[in-house]
Amino acid sequence: RKEVEQDPGPFNVPEGATVAFNCTYSNSASQSFFWYRQDCRKEPKLLMSVYSSGNEDGRFTAQLNRASQYISLLIRDSKLSDSATYLCVVKGSNTGKLIFGQGTTLQVKP
Amino acid sequence: GAVVSQHPSRVICKSGTSVKIECRSLDFQATTMFWYRQFPKKSLMLMATSNEGSKATYEQGVEKDKFLINHASLTLSTLTVTSAHPEDSSFYICSAFSRNTIYFGEGSWLTVV
Repeated sequence: RKEVEQDPGPFNVPEGATVAFNCTYSNSASQSFFWYRQDCRKEPKLLMSVYSSGNEDGRFTAQLNRASQYISLLIRDSKLSDSATYLCVVKGSNTGKLIFGQGTTLQVKP
Repeated sequence: GAVVSQHPSRVICKSGTSVKIECRSLDFQATTMFWYRQFPKKSLMLMATSNEGSKATYEQGVEKDKFLINHASLTLSTLTVTSAHPEDSSFYICSAFSRNTIYFGEGSWLTVV
């Protein structure tokens, strides 16, 4: 079983749609959780951290369920510029070592 | 601006040669840096953890004699792909950890012909 699992997609949605991505992780001792965005042939960029209480940043909402070892990302009112691969990332310690999911590809169409 | 700089961004080399990729932390000291590899449409896979002043820690399945890592200073880690083969062609990216934040380099595209 992979340490971090995501549905690779692709998710093809029209502009303005709401889309949700899910991610599961296997190590219950994992400490920190993130969503990164990666554009084609570029380095990943931090989209947002994920907290158990849930957090929102504009059109983006992230949620963590530690009991189910499950992370989600909700994007509302999708824009063309949201087209990218979204990586679920888990950090298990204070050393900075990250475990990446395969990524979920989103394609927003006009 | 970038806080972790990686160089070169693109490199083409012949089979059998070696190529070095540099990763620099620009405004902080990084005792630990991480090297990842990403094949097309695949996830980033951690190759090794680079430790300043000591040996790197390699992930299972990564050949330490093929992927040489040197972390001689607090701002520079290098990855050398030795005796490169076409199957080593990939996107290599480094990261460093500072003030509870992960910073990535811009990545290096390696093509072995």
